[in-house]
Amino acid sequence: NAGVTQTPKFRVLKTGQSMTLLCAQDMNHEYMYWYRQDPGMGLRLIHYSVGEGTTAKGEVPDGYNVSRLKKQNFLLGLESAAPSQTSVYFCASQTGLAADTQYFGPGTRLTVL
Amino acid sequence: AQSVAQPEDQVNVAEGNPLTVKCTYSVSGNPYLFWYVQYPNRGLQFLLKYITGDNLVKGSYGFEAEFNKSQTSFHLKKPSALVSDSALYFCAVRDRAGNNRKLIWGLGTSLAVNP
Repeated sequence: NAGVTQTPKFRVLKTGQSMTLLCAQDMNHEYMYWYRQDPGMGLRLIHYSVGEGTTAKGEVPDGYNVSRLKKQNFLLGLESAAPSQTSVYFCASQTGLAADTQYFGPGTRLTVL
Repeated sequence: AQSVAQPEDQVNVAEGNPLTVKCTYSVSGNPYLFWYVQYPNRGLQFLLKYITGDNLVKGSYGFEAEFNKSQTSFHLKKPSALVSDSALYFCAVRDRAGNNRKLIWGLGTSLAVNP
């Protein structure tokens, strides 16, 4: 099993450009999450999904959109990138059981110039 | 409001000495408690969790954590630190009831083990 994979690993954008980050998991997990990690701010939840076709907002959803058309994939979109979105983005997945652990992808390092 | 505190931004220990990384929480009831580790330029990896039962939980790489209900703490410990333990450590909690779809994260503690 590959676990949780993220594409791409690195990306540089110019302000105003758009892009989509892809997260894929092969563990048949119901729940999937997108986080951003910034120095000194820990992990902040952007959006999450509790099942195929569902999405919900996290702490910092502004400027991002998500879609979960297939159970194994969770896409994070930036429609018009801003320098404030320079960050490392992590995807995670888990079963629907509250006691279960979250499994993380390797991250995408995004720089917006 | 529910919250997790990791009071130390950085912990420095000498190799071979015991280490403690502190975590306290403010969550109603008896939450599920987790520790994760992040090595440089990597994603987070699960270390251990408390669900129920014995207050001392053993996890990966020789780490353990002690759940203290009265102090609402879940400190991470290791009897003898290794240089390879140097990493960023995150504590997280999840409510057992209600809105338990999300983890509440601490800000992380950077552990430096000096040779």
